Amino acid sequence: LAKTTQPISMDSYEGQEVNITCSHNNIATNDYITWYQQFPSQGPRFIIQGYKTKVTNEVASLFIPADRKSSTLSLPRVSLSDTAVYYCLVGDRGDDFGNEKLTFGTGTRLTIIP
Amino acid sequence: EAQVTQNPRYLITVTGKKLTVTCSQNMNHEYMSWYRQDPGLGLRQIYYSMNVEVTDKGDVPEGYKVSRKEKRNFPLILESPSPNQTSLYFCASSTSGLAHLKYFGPGTRLTVT
Repeated sequence: LAKTTQPISMDSYEGQEVNITCSHNNIATNDYITWYQQFPSQGPRFIIQGYKTKVTNEVASLFIPADRKSSTLSLPRVSLSDTAVYYCLVGDRGDDFGNEKLTFGTGTRLTIIP
Repeated sequence: EAQVTQNPRYLITVTGKKLTVTCSQNMNHEYMSWYRQDPGLGLRQIYYSMNVEVTDKGDVPEGYKVSRKEKRNFPLILESPSPNQTSLYFCASSTSGLAHLKYFGPGTRLTVT
């Protein structure tokens, strides 16, 4: 199971682009990379998922280099409501019922400053 | 509305008094799991279930039991709660496996005195 490493905390000003990087040196061939957002006392919320190169949706982009040993979540023009903890998760998508055990890391606490 | 529900949301109990936290999803998902979240430790998986009558241990299963008799329900049972099980608990479900899109419940804050 690929272990992930993220910065413990980050600060940014409103309106800026924020990039959070996650290291996953032991990522396996079948592993996908998924990012979640969590507000205090709420369950994590899925943000974006990718396998390689770049993925973009309405809230974020995910950049994955060719070696896939890291990934970067990019949040464009953040606002105060983006203050949350962000988790990077690496694991088999389970289409072939691979290893189902899953552990989240400690995440990155992002604080947006007015 | 697609959702995962948990009950109760808050619970204060005493050591040794058996309790059950219920989890239910309305999306016909095969995969369900339980996590606990503690300060500085992130989310840790307790148990998971890949389908009815199929369950397995996660990273921190000691002191917990689960059952999956119906597809929609996945209760977490603490036979003899202890203070070190004081935590915030989340149930999650998905159509398949690990990194796929997961729906999380709102959480249950448990305090064992």
